[in-house]
Amino acid sequence: DSGVTQTPKHLITATGQRVTLRCSPRSGDLSVYWYQQSLDQGLQFLIQYYNGEERAKGNILERFSAQQFPDLHSELNLSSLELGDSALYFCASSVEGAGNSPLHFGNGTRLTVT
Amino acid sequence: EDKVVQSPLSLVVHEGDTVTLNCSYEVTNFRSLLWYKQEKKAPTFLFMLTSSGIEKKSGRLSSILDKKELFSILNITATQTGDSAVYLCAGARNKLVFGAGTILRVKS
Repeated sequence: DSGVTQTPKHLITATGQRVTLRCSPRSGDLSVYWYQQSLDQGLQFLIQYYNGEERAKGNILERFSAQQFPDLHSELNLSSLELGDSALYFCASSVEGAGNSPLHFGNGTRLTVT
Repeated sequence: EDKVVQSPLSLVVHEGDTVTLNCSYEVTNFRSLLWYKQEKKAPTFLFMLTSSGIEKKSGRLSSILDKKELFSILNITATQTGDSAVYLCAGARNKLVFGAGTILRVKS
């Protein structure tokens, strides 16, 4: 158990809908990262927060947004969902930035858009 | 654009064999190279390498980084069926850039 908690484990929703994925980082970790994993794309970096502030952005669509709250938990909001958004969404946390300390991953939220 | 390439894409070995997994990287402002093992769910952390030529070991697993050649290898000796997984390599700067992974299957 990495100590990173993600909810829900599974989500099934329809195209056009909006969902929120939630992540609680390991105790003491200030950085939170969101990754998307699909069969044809591998693990793709979406966005990073450090102590409540956005630090780095990757291939995150404009329909997606995220935030990190004062208690350090993070939420990833996905709107106007499309079939191609179906994927496994991972949250990871680390003490410092990615280059200085390892990321520890949660078990992911599997999103299915029908 | 940052790039991490792993080889082979997949590998089937028998228990007791030794395997070597390869990872080459081109990552701007590179800081470290990480290896993860992914079974059914979350990638689990194996090694973080920051210095060239210094081998890191954990049981039957070991890894080394060559910063001149932009290359890392992960060795697994005396493989067991429990080693069957996808092994992911990632180059780190302010984020992790992952390779596509090597699928390892160990047959009993």
